[in-house]
Amino acid sequence: GAVVSQHPSRVICKSGTSVKIECRSLDFQATTMFWYRQFPKQSLMLMATSNEGSKATYEQGVEKDKFLINHASLTLSTLTVTSAHPEDSSFYICSADGHFGDGTRLSIL
Amino acid sequence: DAKTTQPPSMDCAEGRAANLPCNHSTISGNEYVYWYRQIHSQGPQYIIHGLKNNETNEMASLIITEDRKSSTLILPHATLRDTAVYYCIVSQLWNTGNQFYFGTGTSLTVIP
Repeated sequence: GAVVSQHPSRVICKSGTSVKIECRSLDFQATTMFWYRQFPKQSLMLMATSNEGSKATYEQGVEKDKFLINHASLTLSTLTVTSAHPEDSSFYICSADGHFGDGTRLSIL
Repeated sequence: DAKTTQPPSMDCAEGRAANLPCNHSTISGNEYVYWYRQIHSQGPQYIIHGLKNNETNEMASLIITEDRKSSTLILPHATLRDTAVYYCIVSQLWNTGNQFYFGTGTSLTVIP
């Protein structure tokens, strides 16, 4: 069964909306989680490393004020896409301890 | 950045062995070789990993060269459900909190 759970699996929102995606580790604690973004026909691109109890570490070129990450507990990290626009439409995937969630398909109209 | 190179695509006949190569010439001594696959619109699925010895599990075998600069993932009897993008990644052990950087992967198509 899944060991990393993502919610929601799909989101369709209007431009300007902020969207929160949850990533939960099931049956284990994760002090570190990772967030990826994947555009069609491309590979996964690491966006940021989520650290429990401290600030996330962002990869070069990823706006920290645009993609807010909170890792308030050892089993939950959230990614909030603030004021989303059509160019933020993508497949967002989280991982912990080598296990990946099933991804969240974000579509901004 | 990804430290691996893989062919962009491969075909394999159903029932035959699929051999997927990966080059990782700059791998460090404490880095493992991981293989994942991704079926369309799903998250990556773990297949196998190894440090320097060959490994086998119920899904696949991993052959790592003695100098550790390359490896091959072997799916012994490919089925249509093995059609996916296969990613080879080098990284420290996952419980160290180290990042995985994905390369472009190999798109494997299993042909009936």
